[in-house]
Amino acid sequence: GQQVMQIPQYQHVQEGEDFTTYCNSSTTLSNIQWYKQRPGGHPVFLIQLVKSGEVKKQKRLTFQFGEAKKNSSLHITATQTTDVGTYFCAGAGGTSYGKLTFGQGTILTVHP
Amino acid sequence: DVKVTQSSRYLVKRTGEKVFLECVQDMDHENMFWYRQDPGLGLRLIYFSYDVKMKEKGDIPEGYSVSREKKERFSLILESASTNQTSMYLCASSSGFLGAQGYSGNTIYFGEGSWLTVV
Repeated sequence: GQQVMQIPQYQHVQEGEDFTTYCNSSTTLSNIQWYKQRPGGHPVFLIQLVKSGEVKKQKRLTFQFGEAKKNSSLHITATQTTDVGTYFCAGAGGTSYGKLTFGQGTILTVHP
Repeated sequence: DVKVTQSSRYLVKRTGEKVFLECVQDMDHENMFWYRQDPGLGLRLIYFSYDVKMKEKGDIPEGYSVSREKKERFSLILESASTNQTSMYLCASSSGFLGAQGYSGNTIYFGEGSWLTVV
């Protein structure tokens, strides 16, 4: 079945440093979505990427979808303490009929 | 705003008990999902449903069953709870006809989660 691998599992940064998490799929995706889960909360949708090579920005967050539509990344510039949480990628495509397969998530800790 | 409500936030059950986790969404979404979340394993899909009375196995259906008698309600059932089912369970919903090949997947809205401990 479809597998989505996400690295790193943990990332500790000082406030102001940049942060990147990577996502790789075993199969070509029709789209990829990113979610953020605050400590004690539930995952909340951030963005969806659909096109090959697509890049989208939300303030300090930059999302990329690879040319082959098998990998994606989320980059945060100049992290803030409000960025703490777990970031998940989730891919749809192939024979999964649109149901999303989530990566393991990256837990981000930001030290003030 | 989309609201996905899970009936119980925290539960403690004994091994062998039958457990019901209830979920209701108020946005008339076609699709509903049950995931479990465990440290280091991310979100794993247990079951999903794309229509009333329709259900499909996810990646880890063993030990679980589901029921969708009404569009807005999706229940997860643990027939005989075991300690390895201690976890956080997340219900979710999305719009669009998930059952169609080529469907690209719409945003998933999650409930607050239900923390289940089996002792």
